Amino acid sequence: GQNIDQPTEMTATEGAIVQINCTYQTSGFNGLFWYQQHAGEAPTFLSYNVLDGLEEKGRFSSFLSRSKGYSYLLLKELQMKDSASYLCAVDSSASKIIFGSGTRLSIRP
Amino acid sequence: DARVTQTPRHKVTEMGQEVTMRCQPILGHNTVFWYRQTMMQGLELLAYFRNRAPLDDSGMPKDRFSAEMPDATLATLKIQPSEPRDSAVYFCASGGPGQGATGYTFGSGTRLTVV
Repeated sequence: GQNIDQPTEMTATEGAIVQINCTYQTSGFNGLFWYQQHAGEAPTFLSYNVLDGLEEKGRFSSFLSRSKGYSYLLLKELQMKDSASYLCAVDSSASKIIFGSGTRLSIRP
Repeated sequence: DARVTQTPRHKVTEMGQEVTMRCQPILGHNTVFWYRQTMMQGLELLAYFRNRAPLDDSGMPKDRFSAEMPDATLATLKIQPSEPRDSAVYFCASGGPGQGATGYTFGSGTRLTVV
């Protein structure tokens, strides 16, 4: 079966750091995506990890451990505009992209 | 900026009516996905195509939903007959070869309300 788990909600403070975890069990694995989705809008691409390790892209970093079926998205120097849902998605067999339910992140001043 | 175009943006229809949603993928993208998003279920994969051929539509209720790509510039998702439980936002996403590096691009979605 296919299973992708993320926390439903998280809250963090402006200027702080937050880590959003994602665990997965899928039939086949090519890579893992992170998307950001603001309320009422379409998801937008943040990152794609294929190999184990940390990839940094400005204030956002994404980590992958294929052996553990685990990834996290790290957001630094949080800004109010980072309030959004963050979606973990697995690129599984035949490049079928399956999304987790998303983590709704709220930033407080 | 290249974009995925979905029409209509909003649709309100009565139960039992046919609904057709359209998607124009980005030129050159050969993979097209259809997703449905609700508050309860998140983003559910309904169907996807590569080079216009359907690869998987196991997420779709076959008795009422159908998805096609009549040509490389158009993907359609049809519901007949529609039911209130079909109310959701339907997203189309497209990607080209090696799309992992840049991700799949989503359209703005069609917000469907069935009354």
